[in-house]
Amino acid sequence: AQKVTQTQTSISVVEKTTVTMDCVYETRDSSYFLFWYKQTASGEIVFLIRQDSYKKENATVGHYSLNFQKPKSSIGLIITATQIEDSAVYFCAMRGDTNAYKVIFGKGTHLHVLP
Amino acid sequence: NSKVIQTPRYLVKGQGQKAKMRCIPEKGHPVVFWYQQNKNNEFKFLINFQNQEVLQQIDMTEKRFSAECPSNSPCSLEIQSSEAGDSALYLCASSLFGQTNTEVFFGKGTRLTVV
Repeated sequence: AQKVTQTQTSISVVEKTTVTMDCVYETRDSSYFLFWYKQTASGEIVFLIRQDSYKKENATVGHYSLNFQKPKSSIGLIITATQIEDSAVYFCAMRGDTNAYKVIFGKGTHLHVLP
Repeated sequence: NSKVIQTPRYLVKGQGQKAKMRCIPEKGHPVVFWYQQNKNNEFKFLINFQNQEVLQQIDMTEKRFSAECPSNSPCSLEIQSSEAGDSALYLCASSLFGQTNTEVFFGKGTRLTVV
């Protein structure tokens, strides 16, 4: 069975610093795709960044980057130069070949960016 | 920014009443998902479609829940007889062809409160 686990329920950081959010996943698929989403206070869910399992290079988009450690089944999200507006709940998600029509989500990490 | 449109944003129903919400997927996206997100931020997959055909649905969906994605009309999710436990954020999402290398884009959700 596929599973996504985010063990950090809440993180607080001071703005302009760097934060890393952890995510580990379980899958038997040889090919799979990992995503990070952000959910704002209004409930809106925004796609942030994606990592393809067959790519060795860590994905980077703006001030978001990933730390993909395939042997550890780990996909951490790194946010550099955090801003107050980065405060949100961040979800890790996975989509694999055997269940391509379903996205599996972790339980989220609530990030608080403090002034 | 996602172009998935969900209406209404808020819905209040009494127990036993019908609750219906609608979704217009992003243009050109043939795959539509419905998720239920509870107050603990957990995502529960409900049903998905490719064009007008149901691909997968969970048991809960087969009983009190019904959904459709008719051609040239918004997709819809309807709860036939609302229960207090149905209170949640209902999220519609769409993607291209269900291929695993494409991310899923979410609407802003319909927050259902059953009183």
